[in-house]
Amino acid sequence: EPEVTQTPSHQVTQMGQEVILRCVPISNHLYFYWYRQILGQKVEFLVSFYNNEISEKSEIFDDQFSVERPDGSNFTLKIRSTKLEDSAMYFCATRGGGNTGELFFGEGSRLTVL
Amino acid sequence: KQEVTQIPAALSVPEGENLVLNCSFTDSAIYNLQWFRQDPGKGLTSLLLIQSSQREQTSGRLNASLDKSSGRSTLYIAASQPGDSATYLCAVYSGYSTLTFGKGTMLLVSP
Repeated sequence: EPEVTQTPSHQVTQMGQEVILRCVPISNHLYFYWYRQILGQKVEFLVSFYNNEISEKSEIFDDQFSVERPDGSNFTLKIRSTKLEDSAMYFCATRGGGNTGELFFGEGSRLTVL
Repeated sequence: KQEVTQIPAALSVPEGENLVLNCSFTDSAIYNLQWFRQDPGKGLTSLLLIQSSQREQTSGRLNASLDKSSGRSTLYIAASQPGDSATYLCAVYSGYSTLTFGKGTMLLVSP
């Protein structure tokens, strides 16, 4: 069964450093999403991306965050200058063009900011 | 703004019991509803997706129902097993594919 693949599985970084999280979506999927889950809290929507542009973003997704699809396969989330409160599990999700709208999630990237 | 609430927050049962997890949402104008399983420190495993036109879905020992008018969904687990121990998340599609999650029900099934 096709999978959404995320790298790295775990990253530890110093506050103020830039981090890039990567996602390889299911091959024929065109809609991409990032969600995050702070330890002990709900999974929260960050951003959706279609046709090489952001289609929707939450209030969490401020100027420190950016997304892109640099090479037509990877989908990345960049955090420009990490803060302690950015420590969380980040999930990539993708969707095909079918009418169920079902999202398929990756295993997540755990980010720890020290 | 859509809010999703799951009750109970935690549940501990002996193996073999049938159990029901509850999910409620404030805005009934949803597209779909999805139940996930999450093991500690792990990703989200999709269990069941109920489309807005459906009232229930079944997969093995799992049955999920949806009542949009009352803003409720239930996940029924039959004959629970220790391997079912995990956190179960309910999520509603408020936009066509933007999910709003509940905080989850942490289930422990003891042998």
